[in-house]
Amino acid sequence: AQTVTQSQPEMSVQEAETVTLSCTYDTSESNYYLFWYKQPPSRQMILVIRQEAYKQQNATENRFSVNFQKAAKSFSLKISDSQLGDTAMYFCAYFGNEKLTFGTGTRLTIIP
Amino acid sequence: DTGVSQDPRHKITKRGQNVTFRCDPISEHNRLYWYRQTLGQGPEFLTYFQNEAQLEKSRLLSDRFSAERPKGSFSTLEIQRTEQGDSAMYLCASSARLAGDYNEQFFGPGTRLTVL
Repeated sequence: AQTVTQSQPEMSVQEAETVTLSCTYDTSESNYYLFWYKQPPSRQMILVIRQEAYKQQNATENRFSVNFQKAAKSFSLKISDSQLGDTAMYFCAYFGNEKLTFGTGTRLTIIP
Repeated sequence: DTGVSQDPRHKITKRGQNVTFRCDPISEHNRLYWYRQTLGQGPEFLTYFQNEAQLEKSRLLSDRFSAERPKGSFSTLEIQRTEQGDSAMYLCASSARLAGDYNEQFFGPGTRLTVL
């Protein structure tokens, strides 16, 4: 069974700084997808960024980028120029066997 | 289309009562998923449908839980004889086949269930 581990329950950073959230996963599959989802307080889950395992190039979406290390089964999220609106729970997720498996999340607080 | 919607947003019930939740997916999405999220945890998979067919159920889905998607559009999740351990956020997500895969899921706002 696939597992996803997020080892940082909480993080905080000053506005405009850069922060990196860690995620590791375990799988025996060779092709899969990895995601970072954001869940703001009392609001719904939204997709931040997606990575296809067969692609070597790390995904980037504006201020969000990932560092995907397939051999190490590591998938970290970097948020540059952090903004107050980035305050949220961030979940790393693995898509395999037709469903998502989530980590336990990292609560990120951006400090003004 | 405004995205995935769920109803009700909040439900408070007494132990032993039955509850039913509804999910309306994005209209062109033929896959629909249910997840459960307890406080401080990530969502956990419960079940999913492709069109009207229920293709997989998690072991988390005890026989008190039943889900349907009768016409391949909206879905309902019913919990019979609720227990306090059923208190959680129930999330619905939908997806469409994209480049050969259904991996990108769009989530609804969830139904928060509190069992007293």
